[in-house]
Amino acid sequence: DGGITQSPKYLFRKEGQNVTLSCEQNLNHDAMYWYRQDPGQGLRLIYYSQIVNDFQKGDIAEGYSVSREKKESFPLTVTSAQKNPTAFYLCASSTEGTDTQYFGPGTRLTVL
Amino acid sequence: GQNIDQPTEMTATEGAIVQINCTYQTSGFNGLFWYQQHAGEAPTFLSYNVLDGLEEKGRFSSFLSRSKGYSYLLLKELQMKDSASYLCAVMTTDSWGKLQFGAGTQVVVTP
Repeated sequence: DGGITQSPKYLFRKEGQNVTLSCEQNLNHDAMYWYRQDPGQGLRLIYYSQIVNDFQKGDIAEGYSVSREKKESFPLTVTSAQKNPTAFYLCASSTEGTDTQYFGPGTRLTVL
Repeated sequence: GQNIDQPTEMTATEGAIVQINCTYQTSGFNGLFWYQQHAGEAPTFLSYNVLDGLEEKGRFSSFLSRSKGYSYLLLKELQMKDSASYLCAVMTTDSWGKLQFGAGTQVVVTP
């Protein structure tokens, strides 16, 4: 089955700790994205990657970091520098940049 | 930058029709997407419009007017399972692969 997986579905962390969210896809997509969703707001782009070993900041990259060492994987690290990390995080991928983006199931991060 | 507006919430009865409007202001338009998102789940792709006109897919249709910066998603023969948030997203030519999302319209279908 082809698709995008994110793990875990729910994640709890103490304030001041870094945490890494996983995103894997077996769709052979070149482009991958990370979004953050807060209640009452649209999805906001954190980082995106068009090819392996390359990524660009989105609109709200501060306090986050990513890597793209493999085509299938695009992990997101939420660092302690992120002021308000509690949110629903969504990973997406597309064949290439201008194509339809398909989303993973999301990770709900709660920082206590 | 981009400004994308859609109503916050709409309520309709099972079997009825609902039209969700989306207006946008962009510098360089390269397509508009509609997604459906049930609470706590991932958005799922519904439609894509880049040329003016109506695209029909079963009970769902999407319309685009580029000159007016306007789109709508039409949901016909509403079912209870259509209760969800509907997201309008615009892709611009100056942001390769980047989508700008509206805040979403929560559709509530009542019996």
